[in-house]
Amino acid sequence: EDKVVQSPLSLVVHEGDTVTLNCSYEVTNFRSLLWYKQEKKAPTFLFMLTSSGIEKKSGRLSSILDKKELFSILNITATQTGDSAVYLCALNAGNMLTFGGGTRLMVKP
Amino acid sequence: DGGITQSPKYLFRKEGQNVTLSCEQNLNHDAMYWYRQDPGQGLRLIYYSQIVNDFQKGDIAEGYSVSREKKESFPLTVTSAQKNPTAFYLCASSMGWGGYEQYFGPGTRLTVT
Repeated sequence: EDKVVQSPLSLVVHEGDTVTLNCSYEVTNFRSLLWYKQEKKAPTFLFMLTSSGIEKKSGRLSSILDKKELFSILNITATQTGDSAVYLCALNAGNMLTFGGGTRLMVKP
Repeated sequence: DGGITQSPKYLFRKEGQNVTLSCEQNLNHDAMYWYRQDPGQGLRLIYYSQIVNDFQKGDIAEGYSVSREKKESFPLTVTSAQKNPTAFYLCASSMGWGGYEQYFGPGTRLTVT
């Protein structure tokens, strides 16, 4: 059975800090790994990763995948209060997405 | 204005009643999905549809039913057989099946008392 585990469960930082969120997985037929940001309602798409070692970047957010060690990290530099959200990692194993439990990030001013 | 809409935003029902949640997309996406999210938890897949007139059970389909008569619409019925229906329900769609990112609607919060 495919499995996705995110850590930490929650995190509180101050504006300007850098955070690293973790997503580890077990899968039989890997296709891609996706990161979403969920503020109040709909998760919004951040990144899709398919290849190991290639960093995807968007502004202060970046993500990388390690298919050998079966994990991905999401980095946020110079955090702002608007980064406060739940960050979801999802595994695409060909049929459907399997979501992790999410990491709740709170950024204090 | 392309996107996915869900209605209503909030829904209250008495136990024993069936209730239907609406999901419409104008993205011309083939695949659509229904997820359930409980407090502090990730998303769990209820049903999915790869193409019109076809749908499959996800991980937690018991007590739910769906239809896909039109490409743009994928309504979810929460039946009285669903033991813990109070939750946040999210609909999503993707361009195709497998390997495509999913785009989510704003969700419906269902409370059953």
